Amino acid sequence: GAVVSQHPSRVICKSGTSVKIECRSLDFQATTMFWYRQFPKQSLMLMATSNEGSKATYEQGVEKDKFLINHASLTLSTLTVTSAHPEDSSFYICSARPNLRGNSPLHFGNGTRLTVT
Amino acid sequence: EDQVTQSPEALRLQEGESSSLNCSYTVSGLRGLFWYRQDPGKGPEFLFTLYSAGEEKEKERLKATLTKKESFLHITAPKPEDSATYLCAVLSNTGKLIFGQGTTLQVKP
Repeated sequence: GAVVSQHPSRVICKSGTSVKIECRSLDFQATTMFWYRQFPKQSLMLMATSNEGSKATYEQGVEKDKFLINHASLTLSTLTVTSAHPEDSSFYICSARPNLRGNSPLHFGNGTRLTVT
Repeated sequence: EDQVTQSPEALRLQEGESSSLNCSYTVSGLRGLFWYRQDPGKGPEFLFTLYSAGEEKEKERLKATLTKKESFLHITAPKPEDSATYLCAVLSNTGKLIFGQGTTLQVKP
């Protein structure tokens, strides 16, 4: 089946530093990838849509200068949390559609647990 | 406003005790409804897609059904390994994928 790989699975960083999270589609090409955030015991909230070769689209309330997204190839999107603060601590999950049909299911990576101290 | 509501929030079952999880939705045109399973500390794992009312999908002990207002995930004779959070997500005509809050299922041996 379709596999979306995310790295790292866990990261701890100090306040004020930046952290990069990678999301790869392993057996398919993804022109679009989606970045979600999940707080404990809450559901997934879409942060931004990553588009290969163009700018990402951010959801309302998500700071684009804080959450930098780069989709440099058809199999890799990266999310960089800049100048991280404790309130950025969360579970970040990326996803993509292996099937090009717009109403086909998303497949998710295994998430990155970010802890900012 | 598009909305997806799952119930119950948490469900405890004995092994072998069948039950159903509910996902109610109000959206501006349904393009698809998806069920996922999420284990603690992991990303959601895709289970089923339903596209139109009356559609049903089955996989092992799980069966998903869809009406114009809600979807059910039926679990028949569950086992402890079925314990997880089950997420429902709805894709509307706006192109947005909206997730419910999830139902956390615990199956005791």
